Amino acid sequence: KAGVTQTPRYLIKTRGQQVTLSCSPISGHRSVSWYQQTPGQGLQFLFEYFSETQRNKGNFPGRFSGRQFSNSRSEMNVSTLELGDSALYLCASSLQLAGGRNTGELFFGEGSRLTVL
Amino acid sequence: GESVGLHLPTLSVQEGDNSIINCAYSNSASDYFIWYKQESGKGPQFIIDIRSNMDKRQGQRVTVLLNKTVKHLSLQIAATQPGDSAVYFCAENTGNQFYFGTGTSLTVIP
Repeated sequence: KAGVTQTPRYLIKTRGQQVTLSCSPISGHRSVSWYQQTPGQGLQFLFEYFSETQRNKGNFPGRFSGRQFSNSRSEMNVSTLELGDSALYLCASSLQLAGGRNTGELFFGEGSRLTVL
Repeated sequence: GESVGLHLPTLSVQEGDNSIINCAYSNSASDYFIWYKQESGKGPQFIIDIRSNMDKRQGQRVTVLLNKTVKHLSLQIAATQPGDSAVYFCAENTGNQFYFGTGTSLTVIP
């Protein structure tokens, strides 16, 4: 069974540009979450999608957005990039029980490392 | 909001010794906890989990202890090996959302 796949793995952008990151969850997983990881900050929750709907959102500015497609694949977009957006962006998927309750374990991808110059 | 904290940012242990990594959580309503291991250049990997109706759970060489009274979680690694060197995160789940600590960096000295 394939794991969570994130693309691209590495990318370099300049301030003011925008970036789109992609995540393919484990087959059968309908919940996809995004996290930003920076040194000393741990994993900061960005948002979570379930059945194409954003269910939860973290405390990030509106420049950070996402979406989920009918096949559960998800993308996140960051517009007007700032230097502080340099980070490892992690996607995680999980299996949901009927009614949308989380069974628990998050399965993470290897991340997309974004560098903003 | 939630806060999940770790008592020590770094921990060094001799190979073969036992390691204990601690974590404090703030939300008494959190009902599910996970420990993750993250090696350099990789995404976090599941180690072990525990639900709030338990106070101890054992896996292969790892044990998680949950003290709901003081909102404390710990990960014990028996006979620590060089391959255990990594950053360890605890995570608490409340209402379908996970909150992570900043991590403890474990270094195993051969």
